[in-house]
Amino acid sequence: GEDVEQSLFLSVREGDSSVINCTYTDSSSTYLYWYKQEPGAGLQLLTYIFSNMDMKQDQRLTVLLNKKDKHLSLRIADTQTGDSAIYFCAESIRAGGFKTIFGAGTRLFVKA
Amino acid sequence: NAGVTQTPKFQVLKTGQSMTLQCAQDMNHEYMSWYRQDPGMGLRLIHYSVGAGITDQGEVPNGYNVSRSTTEDFPLRLLSAAPSQTSVYFCASSYGAGGMNTGELFFGEGSRLTVL
Repeated sequence: GEDVEQSLFLSVREGDSSVINCTYTDSSSTYLYWYKQEPGAGLQLLTYIFSNMDMKQDQRLTVLLNKKDKHLSLRIADTQTGDSAIYFCAESIRAGGFKTIFGAGTRLFVKA
Repeated sequence: NAGVTQTPKFQVLKTGQSMTLQCAQDMNHEYMSWYRQDPGMGLRLIHYSVGAGITDQGEVPNGYNVSRSTTEDFPLRLLSAAPSQTSVYFCASSYGAGGMNTGELFFGEGSRLTVL
């Protein structure tokens, strides 16, 4: 079955780059996502990448996908204190978000 | 825009009690789902629905029931609450499989449930 793994904590200094890594097991995953959760709130989609892409850039965010190793990463450039949150990697093998499977989440601490 | 609305936000139950967590969306989304969030375990899928009248089980369905009588509503019922069901519950919805849908899930703010 599907499984998504990511490290639980990451601490960086303000202004540095943050890199959050994720591995997934289902090679038929079609859609891969990064969601952000701020304290006391639900999750919000940060960015996504389709499995036929290797990289996607969106302002300060860069997503890299290595399909061979089933590895997904999220790089946040010039990390700010407002980026402190939990970041979830997620995968879906079907269109429409059906049965999206989430990792445990990486808690990002940004030190001023 | 209301988006996805969950009620109640907080609830305390005693073991054996039953209750219903409500979820409503006003975006005409086909797909709705329930997740529970526990520390160190991320979000786990409980049940999901691909349209009115259609529901299916996710990863952790035991102890929970759902129904989807309308497109807008997707309630989650706890039949006989147990301490292991203490968690934060999230309802999420999506447009469904049509067109260029990215599969983005829209989440409610969560319902924090404690079972004593």
